[in-house]
Amino acid sequence: GDSVTQMEGPVTLSEEAFLTINCTYTATGYPSLFWYVQYPGEGLQLLLKATKADDKGSNKGFEATYRKETTSFHLEKGSVQVSDSAVYFCALSVSQGGSEKLVFGKGTKLTVNP
Amino acid sequence: ETGVTQTPRHLVMGMTNKKSLKCEQHLGHNAMYWYKQSAKKPLELMFVYSLEERVENNSVPSRFSPECPNSSHLFLHLHTLQPEDSALYLCASSQAEGYEQYFGPGTRLTVT
Repeated sequence: GDSVTQMEGPVTLSEEAFLTINCTYTATGYPSLFWYVQYPGEGLQLLLKATKADDKGSNKGFEATYRKETTSFHLEKGSVQVSDSAVYFCALSVSQGGSEKLVFGKGTKLTVNP
Repeated sequence: ETGVTQTPRHLVMGMTNKKSLKCEQHLGHNAMYWYKQSAKKPLELMFVYSLEERVENNSVPSRFSPECPNSSHLFLHLHTLQPEDSALYLCASSQAEGYEQYFGPGTRLTVT
C-alpha cells in the first residue's frame, strides 16, 4: 500500500547548522507530496508541497524536491534557527475509492539549540 | 475567530464516561477530518466528511462516533474508551477532498 518513511528522530542541531530530514515514499500513481510542521502545543501546518516530479517546494527557507527516480522528498534548510524547533511530517496525497486522503510519516522531532 | 478551533484542549475521562470533542472551522471549507496522533505512530485518519456526509471510516471502533451537523462543525462522541485511546485528537478541514488541509490545535485526551 501507499506509505511514507521518514528518518527517525530526534534531531538536535546548533543554530545556523544545515538541516536534512529524509523522506521516501511508496505509492501507486503520481501522488502529491507535502511537508507539514507541528510546533509545540499546536496543530499541523502545511510547510511546503510539490505536485509533480522535479517540482521544488519552498517556504521560510525550507526546500524539498520531488524526486520520482528515487521516490524521495527530502527536506532541507541551509541555516536553522531556534524557532524551527518542531516536529516535521512528510506526507503524500493519494486517491482511494474515489476520495483523496493524506498518508503521513511518523514525524521527526527537531530541536535547535542556541 | 479564524481557522480551525477545537474544544476542549485537554480532557481526562474514565473508561465509563461519555464525552464529546468539538471542532469548528471558520474557513468556508466543505470537508472535515478527524485524526488520532499517538506517540511514535504515524498520524491515523479516523473519519472524513465531505459536504456533511461521511465518506470514509477507517475501521475505527464503534466507541468513537462522529457527527457532522453542518459544514462548519464536527463532533467526536466518546463512550467506554480504553486507556490505549489516550492520544492527541486532531481535526482538520479543507476546501474539498484532496485540497490542502488546515489543522486545529488538537484535544489531548487521557483515559484513566
